[in-house]
Amino acid sequence: DTGVSQDPRHKITKRGQNVTFRCDPISEHNRLYWYRQTLGQGPEFLTYFQNEAQLEKSRLLSDRFSAERPKGSFSTLEIQRTEQGDSAMYLCASSFDSGTGGAGGELFFGEGSRLTVL
Amino acid sequence: AQRVTQPEKLLSVFKGAPVELKCNYSYSGSPELFWYVQYSRQRLQLLLRHISRESIKGFTADLNKGETSFHLKKPFAQEEDSAMYYCALTEINTNAGKSTFGDGTTLTVKP
Repeated sequence: DTGVSQDPRHKITKRGQNVTFRCDPISEHNRLYWYRQTLGQGPEFLTYFQNEAQLEKSRLLSDRFSAERPKGSFSTLEIQRTEQGDSAMYLCASSFDSGTGGAGGELFFGEGSRLTVL
Repeated sequence: AQRVTQPEKLLSVFKGAPVELKCNYSYSGSPELFWYVQYSRQRLQLLLRHISRESIKGFTADLNKGETSFHLKKPFAQEEDSAMYYCALTEINTNAGKSTFGDGTTLTVKP
């Protein structure tokens, strides 16, 4: 297992187009998170999954954004009708939650998918 | 609402000097605090977490609930410590899951 992998690493698109990012978490991890990071800021939480269930979504996640995690393995993040303000690094992370009420443990990050909307 | 503040965007020290990266948080519940580090051209990775009370690469951090701080310290900085450092907070004893990050501090250790 080489860790969390994200694809593509870089996507350039024109405003109004749809884009999809894929994340493959560490195989034994049951939690998967999506974050967005813009220049000069820390990662901002978008959404997370516990297995295949999407348990929380940030208000940052507008109706144009949708995330899925079918079968509780890989996840996709789709952005429809992209806007220039969507330009950012999209980070995926995974962790293992034992279900005993802890914080969910250390986050393991992918290298990110950089989106540039022209 | 959770909030993490790292007041210094940039911090520069000479090799061998002590370094302290500040982190303050606001949260009404029981937090777990982390420091993550991103070296040049590498992914974000965990440096340390307060519940483990470990010293990693010579760094330590103490959770001060009275001052709501979790400052990262190292007595003698090394050039290889140059990186971006993020403080993060996660709720515990809930299934909330998400972590809230500060905006990061870029540490430069000069020779």
